[in-house]
Amino acid sequence: KQEVTQIPAALSVPEGENLVLNCSFTDSAIYNLQWFRQDPGKGLTSLLLIQSSQREQTSGRLNASLDKSSGRSTLYIAASQPGDSATYLCAVINAGNNRKLIWGLGTSLAVNP
Amino acid sequence: NAGVMQNPRHLVRRRGQEARLRCSPMKGHSHVYWYRQLPEEGLKFMVYLQKENIIDESGMPKERFSAEFPKEGPSILRIQQVVRGDSAAYFCASSPKQETAFFGQGTRLTVV
Repeated sequence: KQEVTQIPAALSVPEGENLVLNCSFTDSAIYNLQWFRQDPGKGLTSLLLIQSSQREQTSGRLNASLDKSSGRSTLYIAASQPGDSATYLCAVINAGNNRKLIWGLGTSLAVNP
Repeated sequence: NAGVMQNPRHLVRRRGQEARLRCSPMKGHSHVYWYRQLPEEGLKFMVYLQKENIIDESGMPKERFSAEFPKEGPSILRIQQVVRGDSAAYFCASSPKQETAFFGQGTRLTVV
């Protein structure tokens, strides 16, 4: 059974720091992995999607890497800003017929001005 | 092309009432997924539907919960005889095929 773990559960950093959020999954037979952002009381915003054949994806100050064989992904945020404060969720889709997402519990990030 | 629309955004129900949550997928999307986010817990898959068919309901509680995605109209998640433990955020996602899904803003159900 696929399980997704995110470390740390919470993170507080001063503005301007580069930071890394970690995600691990127990079954390497994934179809893809996604990173989402969730603001308090709000919906889910997809940040980056990495297909199982890819190693990384970049969007602006965000970079996500994928090491499928070791069951790990990292989300790198460069030059963090207070507006980056949110919960970051990692989710995987297993290889198979139904593309349902299996979620980690998230990392709650606070970037302090 | 409007995004995935969920309504209502907030719903308050008394114990024992019925809750009906609606999800209008993006135009051209025939795949709908429902997820539930309980307080202090992660998101959990509930059900996956295609037009008029339930494909995977392995995450649905066995009683009181049902879902449909009719040929015309939105997908409906129905919770009968709600209890306090049903209080959660319910998210819907749609996709044109079994690929990247787009999420709605969610419905926050509060059972009092």
